[in-house]
Amino acid sequence: AQTVTQSQPEMSVQEAETVTLSCTYDTSESDYYLFWYKQPPSRQMILVIRQEAYKQQNATENRFSVNFQKAAKSFSLKISDSQLGDAAMYFCAYHPGGFKTIFGAGTRLFVKA
Amino acid sequence: DGGITQSPKYLFRKEGQNVTLSCEQNLNHDAMYWYRQDPGQGLRLIYYSQIVNDFQKGDIAEGYSVSREKKESFPLTVTSAQKNPTAFYLCASSMGTSGGLYGGYNEQFFGPGTRLTVL
Repeated sequence: AQTVTQSQPEMSVQEAETVTLSCTYDTSESDYYLFWYKQPPSRQMILVIRQEAYKQQNATENRFSVNFQKAAKSFSLKISDSQLGDAAMYFCAYHPGGFKTIFGAGTRLFVKA
Repeated sequence: DGGITQSPKYLFRKEGQNVTLSCEQNLNHDAMYWYRQDPGQGLRLIYYSQIVNDFQKGDIAEGYSVSREKKESFPLTVTSAQKNPTAFYLCASSMGTSGGLYGGYNEQFFGPGTRLTVL
């Protein structure tokens, strides 16, 4: 079965520092997409970053970057220069194509001023 | 502005009642989705629709029903058969369903959600 595991229910980071959120997944597929979504207190889901499995290069979007380890089935999110507005729930998601997207349980990130 | 709207934002239901959650999009997307979100769990797919007048069950369809009479609209009815309906419900849409490596990826855009509480 395809599963997504986020082992950190909560994380905390000091403003301006760097934090890494962990995600592992299980699949027998070789081609798929991985995402990190942000859900702020407004509860609007926002796509933060996307990684195509066939690309070896790690995706980067401004202060957000991923460490994609395909063999280890690991997909961590690094947030640099953390800001108060980064405080949110973060969901890791696996998408093999078609209609299906499997979400992890989420990691709540707190940012301390 | 293009986007997805959901209404109402908060909904209260008495046990035994059916309620309908609205989802409208003006993005001209073919595919639409309904997800349920519970504390400590990720989003779970209830139903999805790839095209007008067609929809498919997701992982947790029991106790729910949908219709897709118009491209822009994908209402979700929570029936009295749903034993634990209290949850946060999210609607999403995409241009189509992804074709994988060779078909490209169609990003899902989410609405603001509806919080349903059973009294």
